[in-house]
Amino acid sequence: GESVGLHLPTLSVQEGDNSIINCAYSNSASDYFIWYKQESGKGPQFIIDIRSNMDKRQGQRVTVLLNKTVKHLSLQIAATQPGDSAVYFCAERPGGYNKLIFGAGTRLAVHP
Amino acid sequence: DAGVIQSPRHEVTEMGQEVTLRCKPISGHDYLFWYRQTMMRGLELLIYFNNNVPIDDSGMPEDRFSAKMPNASFSTLKIQPSEPRDSAVYFCASSFGRRGVPVHETDTQYFGPGTRLTVL
Repeated sequence: GESVGLHLPTLSVQEGDNSIINCAYSNSASDYFIWYKQESGKGPQFIIDIRSNMDKRQGQRVTVLLNKTVKHLSLQIAATQPGDSAVYFCAERPGGYNKLIFGAGTRLAVHP
Repeated sequence: DAGVIQSPRHEVTEMGQEVTLRCKPISGHDYLFWYRQTMMRGLELLIYFNNNVPIDDSGMPEDRFSAKMPNASFSTLKIQPSEPRDSAVYFCASSFGRRGVPVHETDTQYFGPGTRLTVL
């Protein structure tokens, strides 16, 4: 069935380092992808999105890369800060549908 | 804008009782989504509405669950009767429908703070 998976359940990084969170998706018809950040006790917060006609998109300290050939999505966070500690979810939207299918999530732990 | 508003933030009830969760979407958004989040199953879409009309309820677990959207600024998710396995965090999200593209396209979904439900 359709699924979005994450390779690493937990990622630990040092403050100031760059973080890379990876995500594999299975539906080649997906046309829209989103990264969300979820802090403890809060709802998922939008970080950045990318459409399938792009392979890279940059935001403030974050970059999303899309490789449709291998159906891979990544989130890069530059100069990781303690406030970046959270669970990060990728989500895909299969083309023709309004549904978002979420991955299991990756916990990012930032150490001083 | 205040963002998506959900109430209550926490609900503790006993098995068999009726539970009603409430959501106010972001003003102007014409899509509304209800999700459930558990450790075992992650974030699951239960149902979504477009212009107050339910479009897809295939994620609703069973007949004990029902959702309504009587107007553009309010939606409810009801569980009757509740069971311990319904314990989870329930999120509401809303988004714009994109103009100038097929009606099934939507933009980014913005989530509320969630309601943590505990059924004893």
